[in-house]
Amino acid sequence: RKEVEQDPGPFNVPEGATVAFNCTYSNSASQSFFWYRQDCRKEPKLLMSVYSSGNEDGRFTAQLNRASQYISLLIRDSKLSDSATYLCVVNPRASGSARQLTFGSGTQLTVLP
Amino acid sequence: DAEITQSPRHKITETGRQVTLACHQTWNHNNMFWYRQDLGHGLRLIHYSYGVQDTNKGEVSDGYSVSRSNTEDLPLTLESAASSQTSVYFCASSEDGQGGPDTQYFGPGTRLTVL
Repeated sequence: RKEVEQDPGPFNVPEGATVAFNCTYSNSASQSFFWYRQDCRKEPKLLMSVYSSGNEDGRFTAQLNRASQYISLLIRDSKLSDSATYLCVVNPRASGSARQLTFGSGTQLTVLP
Repeated sequence: DAEITQSPRHKITETGRQVTLACHQTWNHNNMFWYRQDLGHGLRLIHYSYGVQDTNKGEVSDGYSVSRSNTEDLPLTLESAASSQTSVYFCASSEDGQGGPDTQYFGPGTRLTVL
């Protein structure tokens, strides 16, 4: 079983749609969680951290369910510029240091005009 | 502005040759990482370093080596390139943060082809 598993997609949605991505992780001791965005042939960039209470950044909402070891990302009012691959990322070590990150394989999103 | 750079951006080499990929960051970060990205596998950690003279093996370290002689640079060497090492290589850096890990900043990547 992979440490971080994501629905690979692809998700093809019209502009303005709401789309949700899911991710599960296997290490129950994982402490930190992130969503990264990767554009085609570019480097990954941090989209947002995921906090236990859930957090929102504009049109993006991230949720964490520790009991189910499940992370989600919701994108509302999709824009063409949201087209990218979204990577679920987990830090399996104790908090307090950067240490390693474990990356999911990514979910590909295409927003259609 | 602080940044992380990689060179070369594209490299074609032959099986058996030694290849070194450069990574340079100007954030003065202690932590540096090398990943490879292949279809179906996502990003996989090759080697990492938490400071000068510190190096550690990651998930897929066979056939690769790194050295850390200063804070800014972590070159990745393929000792004897193999076709299975054809991939996109990303370098990243981060700084320890109190209360939790900090963001990893990625370089633009090096696309390596081994013929």
